[in-house]
Formats: sequence, C-alpha cells, structure tokens
Amino acid sequence: EPEVTQTPSHQVTQMGQEVILRCVPISNHLYFYWYRQILGQKVEFLVSFYNNEISEKSEIFDDQFSVERPDGSNFTLKIRSTKLEDSAMYFCASRRETTGELFFGEGSRLTVL
Amino acid sequence: KQEVTQIPAALSVPEGENLVLNCSFTDSAIYNLQWFRQDPGKGLTSLLLIQSSQREQTSGRLNASLDKSSGRSTLYIAASQPGDSATYLCAVETGANSKLTFGKGITLSVRP
Repeated sequence: EPEVTQTPSHQVTQMGQEVILRCVPISNHLYFYWYRQILGQKVEFLVSFYNNEISEKSEIFDDQFSVERPDGSNFTLKIRSTKLEDSAMYFCASRRETTGELFFGEGSRLTVL
Repeated sequence: KQEVTQIPAALSVPEGENLVLNCSFTDSAIYNLQWFRQDPGKGLTSLLLIQSSQREQTSGRLNASLDKSSGRSTLYIAASQPGDSATYLCAVETGANSKLTFGKGITLSVRP
C-alpha cells in the first residue's frame, strides 16, 4: 500500500535557525498539505498545495513559512527562523482524487530550544 | 468558522463492548467527514470517509454515520479489542479539496 513518508522523524534545533521538513506524497496524488499538532492540542491546517502553487493557507502560515515541490516527488516545508512556539508535530498529507480521502505521514517532531 | 467537538475526551471500556464515539460540528455545509485513528506519537491513519451525500460507511467492525442537518457524526466500534486503544479524531472538510478542521479526539482505552 503506497504511503506518505516524512523525514526527519525528529529534529531538534535552536531558536532562530532554519528548518526544512521533507515529505514524499503518494505518487499519483495531486493535492498536498501540511498540518501541525502542538502537544495536547488539535491538529491544525497550515497550507495546501496544488499544481505547484499554494491553494489555501491558514493564519499560522506567515512569512516565516514556505513550501516547495523541488522535484517530481518531494514536498518540503521550510521554517526560516524558528520560534519556541513552532515546537510541534508536523504532518504531511496527500489526497486521493477519486474519493477525497486524505492520507497522512507519520509526522516530523520539531523541538525548538 | 467551523468548530468540531468530540466529547468525552477519554473513554475506558472492557473488551468486547460495542461503543459509539461522537463528533459534532457547527457548520452543516460540509463536503465530507473523515475519521482517523492516532496511536501515541504516531501519524493519522484514515479509517472512514463519508461524503456529504452519504449517511454511513462501514469497514470491518467500524461503522460511521453522518447527520449533516444536525451537525453530528458517530463512529461505532463493534466488539472492541485492546488493539483498538488509540485516539480517534473526527475531521470535516467544508469545500472540495479544502482544509480539514479537526476535533481534539477521543482517547479510547479497551481493557482486557
């Protein structure tokens, strides 16, 4: 069964450093997403991406965040200058076109010190 | 603004019991509703998706129903097993290919 894969599984960084989280969506999916979950809180939408551009973003997704599809398989989330409050689990997801079902990766845990 | 609520936050049942997990949402104009399972420290596993035009979906021991007009969905788990212990999340989508709005989840513990 194809799955969404994410790397790294855990990253520890210092406040102010840049971080790139990587995702490989399921190969025939066209819509990609980033969500995050702060410990003990709800899963929150960050951004959706289709046809090489952002299709929707939340208020959380400010100028410190960016997404990119640098090649035919990877989808990345960059945080330019991390803050303590960016510590969270970041999930990548892709959508099956026929049903609309979203499939999530295992997540990348980001810890900002 | 869509809000999704799942109550109670936690539930503990003995093995073999049939149980119902509830989800409510404030805006009934949804495109679809999806139930997920999350094990501690892990990702989200899709369980069932119900399109707005559907009333229910079934997969094995799981059955999810949707009542759009009242803003409710239920996930029914038959003959619960310790392996069903996890957090169950409900999420609604308000437009085609749009974002999901999640509830906080119900943490289920099935006692052997």
